[in-house]
Amino acid sequence: GAVVSQHPSRVICKSGTSVKIECRSLDFQATTMFWYRQFPKQSLMLMATSNEGSKATYEQGVEKDKFLINHASLTLSTLTVTSAHPEDSSFYICSARDELGTQYFGPGTRLLVL
Amino acid sequence: AQTVTQSQPEMSVQEAETVTLSCTYDTSESDYYLFWYKQPPSRQMILVIRQEAYKQQNATENRFSVNFQKAAKSFSLKISDSQLGDAAMYFCAYRIRTSYDKVIFGPGTSLSVIP
Repeated sequence: GAVVSQHPSRVICKSGTSVKIECRSLDFQATTMFWYRQFPKQSLMLMATSNEGSKATYEQGVEKDKFLINHASLTLSTLTVTSAHPEDSSFYICSARDELGTQYFGPGTRLLVL
Repeated sequence: AQTVTQSQPEMSVQEAETVTLSCTYDTSESDYYLFWYKQPPSRQMILVIRQEAYKQQNATENRFSVNFQKAAKSFSLKISDSQLGDAAMYFCAYRIRTSYDKVIFGPGTSLSVIP
């Protein structure tokens, strides 16, 4: 199946700093990518839909100025957590949609804000 | 609003036995997809099986099969000949047929396989 990568796999940062997470579709072009957040023992919560060449669509309750999304190419979307705080600590997962509509998930990024 | 419900937070099955995970969903749409995803301890989401709503025939993938009851909005997953590697969180998911194809996930069922 298609491969989606995320980098970094885990990151520890100080409160107040910004963290960028990359999501890449390695063997297909993805016009649409999705960013999810997952708390321990809970389901995936959709944060935003990222479309190549246009602004991301954020879900209700997700601060767009806090979670900046850039989808600059058909194979790369980035999520930047700005001015991170301990409550932003979580597991972030991206997925990429191929031309048939199937979503493939990245391995996730574990963020810990101290 | 579209919602997905999984009423069994935890399930267990004896190795080589069969287990069924339940899922119900609520939607006013007629054209949609349903999925079961597996999330092992590595936390990598893996697509197990998918079902198109317009297809009456239940999807099957090797030891995994579904019982899709569209009128009842029910989409259960049956795992036959359970293996230790099947132990994971299982998420039922629903995809809206819009230009963005947003996926809504259920709360998940934690499956344990007993040797």
